[in-house]
Amino acid sequence: KQEVTQIPAALSVPEGENLVLNCSFTDSAIYNLQWFRQDPGKGLTSLLLIQSSQREQTSGRLNASLDKSSGRSTLYIAASQPGDSATYLCAVLMDSSYKLIFGSGTRLLVRP
Amino acid sequence: EAQVTQNPRYLITVTGKKLTVTCSQNMNHEYMSWYRQDPGLGLRQIYYSMNVEVTDKGDVPEGYKVSRKEKRNFPLILESPSPNQTSLYFCASSFRTGAEKLFFGSGTQLSVL
Repeated sequence: KQEVTQIPAALSVPEGENLVLNCSFTDSAIYNLQWFRQDPGKGLTSLLLIQSSQREQTSGRLNASLDKSSGRSTLYIAASQPGDSATYLCAVLMDSSYKLIFGSGTRLLVRP
Repeated sequence: EAQVTQNPRYLITVTGKKLTVTCSQNMNHEYMSWYRQDPGLGLRQIYYSMNVEVTDKGDVPEGYKVSRKEKRNFPLILESPSPNQTSLYFCASSFRTGAEKLFFGSGTQLSVL
């Protein structure tokens, strides 16, 4: 059974710092991996989607990488800002069933 | 405006009283799905649909029903709600299964007394 783990569970950094969030998964038979942002009391917003054949995706200050064989993905946030404070979740879409499995998230606080 | 609309935003009900949470998208998306979010358990998929009249179980389908009679709508039905179904529910959609980003609704906070 697929298990998705995110480390750390919480992170507090000063503004301007570059940071890395980690996501690992146990079953490499995935169709794609997606990173989301969730603000308190709100729905999820998709940030980046990486297909299983891709190695990375970039959007502005965000860069996500995928190493399918080792079961790892990272989300890199450059020059963090207080507005980046939110919970970040990764999710994998299974290849055979199209089920979507979420990690438990990393709660990020960027201090001014 | 492109969006996924869930109703109601908040719902308090009693055990055993049938309810429906509606979900509608205006983006002509093929793929729609339902999730519940619980503290300590994260987001778990309940049901998903790859197109009209095609639905399949996610990880936690027990106690829920869905239907996909039209492309834009994907209601979640609780025939006999129980207190362990108290949760925050999200609907989501994407243009094609797996190929596009997921768009989420704002959520429905359900309390079953």
